[in-house]
Amino acid sequence: QLQLQESGPGLVKPSQTLSLTCSVSGDSLRSGSRYWSWIRQPAGKGLEWIGHIYTTGSTTYNPSLKSRVTMSVDMSKNHFSLELSSVTAADTAVYYCARDIGVIDCSGSACYTVDWFDPWGQGTLVTVSS
Amino acid sequence: EIVMTQSPATLSVSPGERASLSCRASQSIDSHLAWYQLKPGQAPRLLIHGASTRATGVPDRFSGSGSGTDFTLTISSLQSEDFAVFYCQQSHNWPRTFGQGTKVEIK
Repeated sequence: QLQLQESGPGLVKPSQTLSLTCSVSGDSLRSGSRYWSWIRQPAGKGLEWIGHIYTTGSTTYNPSLKSRVTMSVDMSKNHFSLELSSVTAADTAVYYCARDIGVIDCSGSACYTVDWFDPWGQGTLVTVSS
Repeated sequence: EIVMTQSPATLSVSPGERASLSCRASQSIDSHLAWYQLKPGQAPRLLIHGASTRATGVPDRFSGSGSGTDFTLTISSLQSEDFAVFYCQQSHNWPRTFGQGTKVEIK
């Protein structure tokens, strides 16, 4: 059974870089081509998709965070990572990693890449504070 | 960016009753919608994808409907373990966006 677990510092100082890792168990990142996403939830707010990385290393980021986000994948360690630079208090949130299941849907007038997230990790709280 | 609007923000329901949660997209998203259940301290759980397809292992009391801009998640008979916050998510356009959530609480 595929399981994901986030890890990383729970406290980051303003202007520094937040670094998180998502360890994958129950499957190998080498075993297939998949997308892997990061999603966050500030306290009392909704969910925000940060971006995703394909097992080849190609990425798509949310434009709202694109200038500060870097995602990577390490096949040898079976994990993928998130870096968010120049953090502020607004980046305080629970950060989740998730498998991003993508399919091509051509049932309408055009073809779309559609996706959903399953499973998710339990999330890790990152607080930005001096 | 497609804005997803959920209503109501909070729904008070008695166990055994039916709950209907609404999700509206700011433009048509065909059937490119998923629903998730979040409980404190637990991994979020996928309930529905493709607007109406239940995820593996999800009880049939959960059902999704709708297409275009208006969607509904229905829980036919609420069980104690169903009380949680529910989010919809669109994957029609980039970036992927979520609604603000509906909290289903015990009445």
